[in-house]
Amino acid sequence: QKEVEQDPGPLSVPEGAIVSLNCTYSNSAFQYFMWYRQYSRKGPELLMYTYSSGNKEDGRFTAQVDKSSKYISLFIRDSQPSDSATYLCAMKEIGISGYALNFGKGTSLLVTP
Amino acid sequence: NAGVTQTPKFQVLKTGQSMTLQCAQDMNHNSMYWYRQDPGMGLRLIYYSASEGTTDKGEVPNGYNVSRLNKREFSLRLESAAPSQTSVYFCASSQTSQNIQYFGAGTRLSVL
Repeated sequence: QKEVEQDPGPLSVPEGAIVSLNCTYSNSAFQYFMWYRQYSRKGPELLMYTYSSGNKEDGRFTAQVDKSSKYISLFIRDSQPSDSATYLCAMKEIGISGYALNFGKGTSLLVTP
Repeated sequence: NAGVTQTPKFQVLKTGQSMTLQCAQDMNHNSMYWYRQDPGMGLRLIYYSASEGTTDKGEVPNGYNVSRLNKREFSLRLESAAPSQTSVYFCASSQTSQNIQYFGAGTRLSVL
């Protein structure tokens, strides 16, 4: 079983909808949690970055971490066609073994006008 | 602000040929990484360099070698390319191995 699980989708929503993207993980040592957005034929770009449990909001995006359930989420409010991309969750440990990012496989999102 | 620059963007090789993928960053980062991305597999770490002068294996190092040429540059070499190495390769860098990683645009490699 891979350490980070993410539903690949595709997920199709109408413009203006609230989108919920999720990942589960098995390694309780993960402390840093990230969401990357990857447009087609481009490199991943960092969208959100949180440490440990709780919520973080940035404009239309909210990242949520529930360490007790080993579950993280990314919410997108008022989704736009420009949000159409693949969203990758990533997480890492801290300390000497914390060099590696552990990625989910990515969820493909399509926002239709 | 270039960030992480990868060359070439595309490459087609025949089985057994060799090539080197180049990566350079202009953010004065200490740590650099090479990943491959395959459909259904996500991003997997090939090699990383925590600081200039050091390199270590990641999850899938077989068939690859790396060189940390200086603080800015980290190259990935395929000595004898195989069709299983057909993939999109991403280079990334971070201030230290504990910090956020920033990615390049990728190199699309096909091995026939």
